[in-house]
Amino acid sequence: DQQVKQNSPSLSVQEGRISILNCDYTNSMFDYFLWYKKYPAEGPTFLISISSIKDKNEDGRFTVFLNKSAKHLSLHIVPSQPGDSAVYFCAASDEISNQFYFGTGTSLTVIP
Amino acid sequence: GAVVSQHPSRVICKSGTSVKIECRSLDFQATTMFWYRQFPKQSLMLMATSNEGSKATYEQGVEKDKFLINHASLTLSTLTVTSAHPEDSSFYICSATRDRGILKANAEAFFGQGTRLTVV
Repeated sequence: DQQVKQNSPSLSVQEGRISILNCDYTNSMFDYFLWYKKYPAEGPTFLISISSIKDKNEDGRFTVFLNKSAKHLSLHIVPSQPGDSAVYFCAASDEISNQFYFGTGTSLTVIP
Repeated sequence: GAVVSQHPSRVICKSGTSVKIECRSLDFQATTMFWYRQFPKQSLMLMATSNEGSKATYEQGVEKDKFLINHASLTLSTLTVTSAHPEDSSFYICSATRDRGILKANAEAFFGQGTRLTVV
């Protein structure tokens, strides 16, 4: 049972525009959410996170929004750059298990 | 930031042999390590959760006798693929988490660079 879902397997965006990647989760016990970026044949690298006590966290071009009532989070990248082209995974964690549950990933292509 | 080192990054082995993959947390103690497998164009699939000093917890459908996990110390976990077959060819990734603590600060999973296993 997939507890974290990314329903868009791919996304193409023009350079300079905004990229919006979405993620939904089902477990209300999740209290910490993260986004990872992954290039082919490499391990994921941490991008940005948000605690359930917040609804927004911003770091440079990256902003993560959390809507707890909808069990939905999104990652906004603005302006998008060609180097942002990668697979983005959202992940969720709860304090009890300390385990990370990953979505299926969204492949972002930023077109120059 | 915290670093997790995974070795080897790439290995080719003959069918029927065993391969060991190491995962080390270089600058922190990882009480819990995770092993993932990634198939092409698919998500990271959690294989097992490894706790130092105890038996690993395997996800449903993962053969524990085929994928042996040892977490002998707080900085090292190993995954051994026994009697490897071509269908075991995949990209294996480990991750380690620090204790989240009361403030839940810096709670993130740090990943190794992955191991590309090819069984011929």
